[in-house]
Amino acid sequence: AQKITQTQPGMFVQEKEAVTLDCTYDTSDPSYGLFWYKQPSSGEMIFLIYQGSYDQQNATEGRYSLNFQKARKSANLVISASQLGDSAMYFCAMREGRDSGTYKYIFGTGTRLKVLA
Amino acid sequence: NAGVMQNPRHLVRRRGQEARLRCSPMKGHSHVYWYRQLPEEGLKFMVYLQKENIIDESGMPKERFSAEFPKEGPSILRIQQVVRGDSAAYFCASSAYRDGATAQYFGPGTRLTVT
Repeated sequence: AQKITQTQPGMFVQEKEAVTLDCTYDTSDPSYGLFWYKQPSSGEMIFLIYQGSYDQQNATEGRYSLNFQKARKSANLVISASQLGDSAMYFCAMREGRDSGTYKYIFGTGTRLKVLA
Repeated sequence: NAGVMQNPRHLVRRRGQEARLRCSPMKGHSHVYWYRQLPEEGLKFMVYLQKENIIDESGMPKERFSAEFPKEGPSILRIQQVVRGDSAAYFCASSAYRDGATAQYFGPGTRLTVT
């Protein structure tokens, strides 16, 4: 079973508008972390935002915010005021392995975002 | 303030050759993770190492792949007798502590092409 699901293979958004990238997860561990990474065409993985399972408030980092709905097991990324430079692949990831102490990341398949001028 | 460094950035090998990928973690980080990304896919965990110890290699193929993180020097991911299916981007990540609150920081990746 998929532990991280990103159902949108591709998304388009007009410049300066907001966009939401979906991510759902599955875990039985009460303690987990959720991450979003951006991968531009150059290939590097850029850390964007982190949400801990016990965090009471949704995480925000500049134009990025994470809409965390624990009961629904969703952790959607919201990008406000899109810019052309936001065009990239976006990956949602969950940190698991608390019991083993590994804390490895499980990644979704990604969403390719294209910002239109 | 150097981040995670990987070299080479691009590596071309012929089938049957050995590929050696290097990763220098961020300063002060002693935990290293290796991930593999096949084209158009997300990253898949391979192995987690601390200095001189392999902690979790549950994602490593059973044959031809090995990893080490010596007391001195970078972490090395070694692929022996490469095959075309090994062509992928290999990412290294490091973290300061082995706890869930610490983010992993990724290097730029090594893109391996097997011809």
